Amino acid sequence: QLQLQESGPGLVKPSETLSLTCTVSGGSISSKNYYWGWIRQPPGKGLEWIGAVHYDGRNYFNPSLKSRVTISVDTSKNQFSLKLSSVTAADTAAFYCARLGLWFRDIDPWGQGTLVTVSS
Amino acid sequence: QSALTQPASVSGSPGQSITISCTGTSSDVGGYNYVSWYQHHPGKAPKLMIYDVSNRPSGVSNRFSGSKSGNMASLTISGLQAEDEADYYCSSYTGRSTLVFGGGTKLTVL
Repeated sequence: QLQLQESGPGLVKPSETLSLTCTVSGGSISSKNYYWGWIRQPPGKGLEWIGAVHYDGRNYFNPSLKSRVTISVDTSKNQFSLKLSSVTAADTAAFYCARLGLWFRDIDPWGQGTLVTVSS
Repeated sequence: QSALTQPASVSGSPGQSITISCTGTSSDVGGYNYVSWYQHHPGKAPKLMIYDVSNRPSGVSNRFSGSKSGNMASLTISGLQAEDEADYYCSSYTGRSTLVFGGGTKLTVL
């Protein structure tokens, strides 16, 4: 059974870079049929797609975040990571990592999510 | 990219049926059959309920069904149960190789 688990700091200072890692267990991240992505949910708001990466390095981003986002894959560790630069309080959110099907047709499974607060 | 449009809230009594709409454009919902629906109970991971407009993953109750007409997709839940109370989100692939979510709909079971 494939499982994903987010890890990283729960508190980040404004203007700094938010860094999260997703560890995949129960299956390989090196599958040509899937992408690995990040979704966030600010408190009291809806879900927002951040971006996704394929194990071969292809990546796709939400246009509104593209200039600040990096998503990378480490196949040796079966992990993928998110970096969001120049964060502000508006970036405070629960961050979820997940597996996405081709054409992002489905998102399953999801990690449990991790809350990241941007505050000095 | 603009979020897909969903009603903020819907409600129904146990046993009834409800439908949640998800309106997009010809560049997303109307252009591709890659619409999916997610159930989200606060504090938990979202759960895939429908993919490719109308397909149910293994293990999802057949009380959940999806459809699409033009630029609008719909999720119907029949035989409402108390445990169906949750937030529901639609999503769609877009022509720019991105994904867009709806704003979410809070379902209340009366």
